Amino acid sequence: DVKVTQSSRYLVKRTGEKVFLECVQDMDHENMFWYRQDPGLGLRLIYFSYDVKMKEKGDIPEGYSVSREKKERFSLILESASTNQTSMYLCASRPQGYLNYGYTFGSGTRLTVV
Amino acid sequence: SQQGEEDPQALSIQEGENATMNCSYKTSINNLQWYRQNSGRGLVHLILIRSNEREKHSGRLRVTLDTSKKSSSLLITASRAADTASYFCATDGTSGSRLTFGEGTQLTVNP
Repeated sequence: DVKVTQSSRYLVKRTGEKVFLECVQDMDHENMFWYRQDPGLGLRLIYFSYDVKMKEKGDIPEGYSVSREKKERFSLILESASTNQTSMYLCASRPQGYLNYGYTFGSGTRLTVV
Repeated sequence: SQQGEEDPQALSIQEGENATMNCSYKTSINNLQWYRQNSGRGLVHLILIRSNEREKHSGRLRVTLDTSKKSSSLLITASRAADTASYFCATDGTSGSRLTFGEGTQLTVNP
């Protein structure tokens, strides 16, 4: 089975800190995604990547950046954490040939910014 | 923007009953997918139906797709308490390799 591993299940950070959320997949998937999930707002796409060193903005990229230096790892960076970035963060991956495949999600990181 | 909208937002049934959830979307799609999320966890992919398919089955799951009405339904037959979760539809648009999710239906199956 494909596994997508997010480094932390729960994280508490202070306002203004730089925060790194790590995501690693083990099945050589080209496409990787970062979503945040908030009550009443569903899942919203922050950034995605089609390949190493490639990145595309999603619907809500402000306040975030990403890094994909290796195919298996996609990192989400909160440059200066703010309380409105308290959320559940979900990483997902998918192979090319996307018409036939769903996403594989990690277990999520619940981030609290205080 | 949210492409898919699920209906109802919440559904409570007894074990053994069938559960039906609906999803409507706005733009053309390549496929539509359903996911399940247990409380506080990641989403799990359940089933994918392509735009040229009308119905698909997987175990106790049955998905229909009506592209003329831009809608889909997920039927879970003979529900179990373990089916209690949130269910999301997601659409794969024609413009790129990204899914757009609805806000989900919270299903509670009472033992």
